[in-house]
Amino acid sequence: DAGVIQSPRHEVTEMGQEVTLRCKPISGHNSLFWYRQTMMRGLELLIYFNNNVPIDDSGMPEDRFSAKMPNASFSTLKIQPSEPRDSAVYFCASKTRVQSYNEQFFGPGTRLTVL
Amino acid sequence: KNEVEQSPQNLTAQEGEFITINCSYSVGISALHWLQQHPGGGIVSLFMLSSGKKKHGRLIATINIQEKHSSLHITASHPRDSAVYICAVYLKNTGNQFYFGTGTSLTVIP
Repeated sequence: DAGVIQSPRHEVTEMGQEVTLRCKPISGHNSLFWYRQTMMRGLELLIYFNNNVPIDDSGMPEDRFSAKMPNASFSTLKIQPSEPRDSAVYFCASKTRVQSYNEQFFGPGTRLTVL
Repeated sequence: KNEVEQSPQNLTAQEGEFITINCSYSVGISALHWLQQHPGGGIVSLFMLSSGKKKHGRLIATINIQEKHSSLHITASHPRDSAVYICAVYLKNTGNQFYFGTGTSLTVIP
């Protein structure tokens, strides 16, 4: 299996532009997580899905952020409009079995820079 | 308030030294994971613990549920162990997500 796939790996954009990050979870995994990592705050959960349904989006900073999971093999995280403080590494992770405490598999991350 | 605390934040060791990284949490958990993040950025899971002790090569992880504390030990440390080590927990009765410690940045000098 190719693991969790994220695209793009790097994104540089200007303030005010729309940014879309993409994630393909491991086939057969039922839970998908979006995380943000910054030097100041470390890893933070933004939102997670169980069986394609958003369960907890309390970590989404504000209305500029939105996430979708239209099917079991694809999810997007969109920022519109982007701001310099959104600069961070965004990770997607997936795991099997919704009601379990097992390993999460992380994608390589998308490094976002907003100028 | 962060439910998960790690110490130390930064650690520098000479090659061959025994290393300990600590993780404390303030509420009940269902499981605790130790993650490793290399300078390239990728995050991998090292251990999952709900009780006792696990060993993989030179890495040993322990957990004391009563004391709400876990340790990650590295024996005979090597420069390739240089990475950020992150403690992550599943809290009881709070769903399916990880709560993370702040991470420990380890540098092993040859």
